[in-house]
Amino acid sequence: AQSVTQLGSHVSVSEGALVLLRCNYSSSVPPYLFWYVQYPNQGLQLLLKYTTGATLVKGINGFEAEFKKSETSFHLTKPSAHMSDAAEYFCAVSKNNFNKFYFGSGTKLNVKP
Amino acid sequence: DTAVSQTPKYLVTQMGNDKSIKCEQNLGHDTMYWYKQDSKKFLKIMFSYNNKELIINETVPNRFSPKSPDKAHLNLHINSLELGDSAVYFCASSQDSGGWDETQYFGPGTRLLVL
Repeated sequence: AQSVTQLGSHVSVSEGALVLLRCNYSSSVPPYLFWYVQYPNQGLQLLLKYTTGATLVKGINGFEAEFKKSETSFHLTKPSAHMSDAAEYFCAVSKNNFNKFYFGSGTKLNVKP
Repeated sequence: DTAVSQTPKYLVTQMGNDKSIKCEQNLGHDTMYWYKQDSKKFLKIMFSYNNKELIINETVPNRFSPKSPDKAHLNLHINSLELGDSAVYFCASSQDSGGWDETQYFGPGTRLLVL
């Protein structure tokens, strides 16, 4: 069975500081991995995804994530936080078995001036 | 043009009523989904349709019935609404049903409040 764990329901950083949002998955085979962002009162938007190939994935708005199979992790990072990055971030996993797509419980990012 | 649109945006209703939420996508995608996001922001898939056929039907009460008149529309009808149905419902679509590596495009959500 698939599960997704996002450590920390709330993360607060100062503007300009490093952003690190954690995501771990449990799966017997490498899944597909996604990060979505949800701004207040809006739907989810894809930030980036990993399917195959290079394990360091670059997404929109300066975000990137690295798939580490040995750690079953797909943490999201951004070198320098902007105020506009304040939002809820969801990690999601799936497998190509035409069956399941799981979201984590979300991490709310707060950026302080 | 909005890629995935939902109506209504807000829905407040009494327990026991029947209501529908509409979803339309103009992306030419083959697959559409309904998700429920509860008060704790936990997002869970409810249904998935591919070319008007039901693909995924998670453990959802049969009071919830999706209807897909064509592949650009996936409506969600809810009978006998209960307090616990209060949530934000998101519609989404993706290009192809064949792989779960597809990016899903989400609508803005419908905020349902059952009183």
